[in-house]
Amino acid sequence: ETGVTQSPTHLIKTRGQQVTLRCSSQSGHNTVSWYQQALGQGPQFIFQYYREEENGRGNFPPRFSGLQFPNYSSELNVNALELDDSALYLCASLTGTGSPGANVLTFGAGSRLTVL
Amino acid sequence: GDSVTQMEGPVTLSEEAFLTINCTYTATGYPSLFWYVQYPGEGLQLLLKATKADDKGSNKGFEATYRKETTSFHLEKGSVQVSDSAVYFCALTVPSKAAGNKLTFGGGTRVLVKP
Repeated sequence: ETGVTQSPTHLIKTRGQQVTLRCSSQSGHNTVSWYQQALGQGPQFIFQYYREEENGRGNFPPRFSGLQFPNYSSELNVNALELDDSALYLCASLTGTGSPGANVLTFGAGSRLTVL
Repeated sequence: GDSVTQMEGPVTLSEEAFLTINCTYTATGYPSLFWYVQYPGEGLQLLLKATKADDKGSNKGFEATYRKETTSFHLEKGSVQVSDSAVYFCALTVPSKAAGNKLTFGGGTRVLVKP
């Protein structure tokens, strides 16, 4: 049990559709980030939320958007799905001892999205 | 920009063999370094970390030393088990205002340990 729960675990969409992925983490984990992991590759940073505001973004287009709620749960929304969006989407919460370099990301098991 | 390069797999070993996975990095700042492991069908789990030069991270028999002079963070284990079969990712973070606590990952190295 990592303390980070994602849903759904698997889903299939068609090109052009929209998808919402969800993530919840343990109380007090107020920083959440999302990653995209294509098959056979390392995860790529999408964005990070801190206290309900985006405070870091990777090289992803605006059709990738997110929300963080007061209870620190989070959503990743992807509009106008493309075939290349097929991937494992990972949510992670930031835990640590306060020192920036010592902070650690704890990942959920991911949501596997297939776009047909 | 920041980047991580790790040796391509798959790496196939016999049980009790010695494992080394090479990892080198480039970073604009002073990074913290991590190894994550991904077992089949699962998310990423932190294996070990090091936050400054010459630090050695260790966990479950795995070790890696932060070498600033060679910009490397090679992962080693003296005697692998079948249960160590997984994909291993080297990663770094340099916290910034633009990218938060973004982790930059290498491409992963698949390790297969045979009985």
